Amino acid sequence: ETGVTQSPTHLIKTRGQQVTLRCSSQSGHNTVSWYQQALGQGPQFIFQYYREEENGRGNFPPRFSGLQFPNYSSELNVNALELDDSALYLCASSLEFRTSGPAAYNEQFFGPGTRLTVL
Amino acid sequence: AQKITQTQPGMFVQEKEAVTLDCTYDTSDPSYGLFWYKQPSSGEMIFLIYQGSYDQQNATEGRYSLNFQKARKSANLVISASQLGDSAMYFCAMREGYMGAQKLVFGQGTRLTINP
Repeated sequence: ETGVTQSPTHLIKTRGQQVTLRCSSQSGHNTVSWYQQALGQGPQFIFQYYREEENGRGNFPPRFSGLQFPNYSSELNVNALELDDSALYLCASSLEFRTSGPAAYNEQFFGPGTRLTVL
Repeated sequence: AQKITQTQPGMFVQEKEAVTLDCTYDTSDPSYGLFWYKQPSSGEMIFLIYQGSYDQQNATEGRYSLNFQKARKSANLVISASQLGDSAMYFCAMREGYMGAQKLVFGQGTRLTINP
C-alpha cells in the first residue's frame, strides 16, 4: 500500500510569484484535504476535494485554488504569494467523505508536507 | 471562537514516566470525533488515537489512551511508559458532524520532550 506523497519537499519563492504543490493520495483513497501549518501553529484547513470537485473550504482567499485529477492526486495552487504564505503545506487523503454514522471514524493519512518559504 | 484548546505549550517528562497532554474542545454539535496526532520534526502528522462522541468507552491504542470527559469537553491524551522517541509535537483535533467535508480543526499543539 503506497502512502501519501508530496512534492516538492522544500520550495523557495519570492513575493508575487505563483506556486503549485502536488500530492498523491494513498492507494484507494478518493478524498484529498489540504492544510496550511504556519510555524508554531496547528494546521489550518484550506479545502478538500472529493472526486475532482471542491467539497468544503476554510477561511482562505481565492488565490488559493486546487485541482483533483481522475487518479485522485491533487494540486494546490497559490497565486500572488505573500510573506505570510510561508508555511508547511500538508496534504491528507481519506476514503469517501460520506460517513456511515454519527462522527464515524475515517482516518486522514497525511503526507510529509511541502515547506514553502516566501522571500 | 477557538474550538480546540491545548494549554500546555511544552512538557518535559522523564523516560518511562506516564504523561498526560491536555485538550479541551468546544462544539454544539452532538456528533463529533476527536483525534490526536504526533508530529515529529520531519513534519509528517502521525495518527495516534480517535474518540467518537458517542463512544461509551475511552479509546486505547497500545501505550496511548484517551481520557474522554464529555461533560467537561476534555479529551486528554495519556502516554504510558514514555520513550525517547515520543519526543515530538502533539496535536489534538476535532471533526464535527458526519456529513460534508472531513475538516479537522487543530489545537496549537504541545511540544513533548522526553528526557533520558
